Amino acid sequence: QQQVKQSPQSLIVQKGGIPIINCAYENTAFDYFPWYQQFPGKGPALLIAIRPDVSEKKEGRFTISFNKSAKQFSLHIMDSQPGDSATYFCAASPGYSNASKIIFGSGTRLSIQP
Amino acid sequence: GAVVSQHPSRVICKSGTSVKIECRSLDFQATTMFWYRQFPKQSLMLMATSNEGSKATYEQGVEKDKFLINHASLTLSTLTVTSAHPEDSSFYICSASGDRHQETQYFGPGTRLLVL
Repeated sequence: QQQVKQSPQSLIVQKGGIPIINCAYENTAFDYFPWYQQFPGKGPALLIAIRPDVSEKKEGRFTISFNKSAKQFSLHIMDSQPGDSATYFCAASPGYSNASKIIFGSGTRLSIQP
Repeated sequence: GAVVSQHPSRVICKSGTSVKIECRSLDFQATTMFWYRQFPKQSLMLMATSNEGSKATYEQGVEKDKFLINHASLTLSTLTVTSAHPEDSSFYICSASGDRHQETQYFGPGTRLLVL
């Protein structure tokens, strides 16, 4: 019930391609869905987040698509660059307070080939 | 805005010693701070949640007497690993959220702990 399932585990894409990372959840109480980007040896950095009242959100080259009925959401990276190579985590939270726990997916190691 | 720092960035210690890690919110008041542990190529594992001025809430399986957490002010939380052993070697990351940022957690850069 509390899990967030993320796939694929790893992904290799050519520069300029559009990597897509998928996540699914079960708990309908989740109300806030952030994505984090983590480089080796660094802490995760908030990339983009969405609430279930919208089906899509774009910030620069990053787009979240959200399907509330299917309880699925995905991250698309447009015009991917080698600098986008990192581990990406989707997450979910009830989002009703600043003490809400975030449940993380297992992560996707993305490699953008030049 | 929303910058979180951690100190030290890496520490090496002998088995049996205690190590303190500091987590600071630099530009906002963090009413809640979280401590995570991350093993290589794995996701983040929540260890505990701390609210300013109150005792931390530990996740199941995390020893509260071994991992002491103090959140004495709205900008500082500390994690002390007591009597560290090699199996405690890991990457420890804090995050903070506050009234300005509601449900969003902002993460520190992490602390690499190596226990010899």
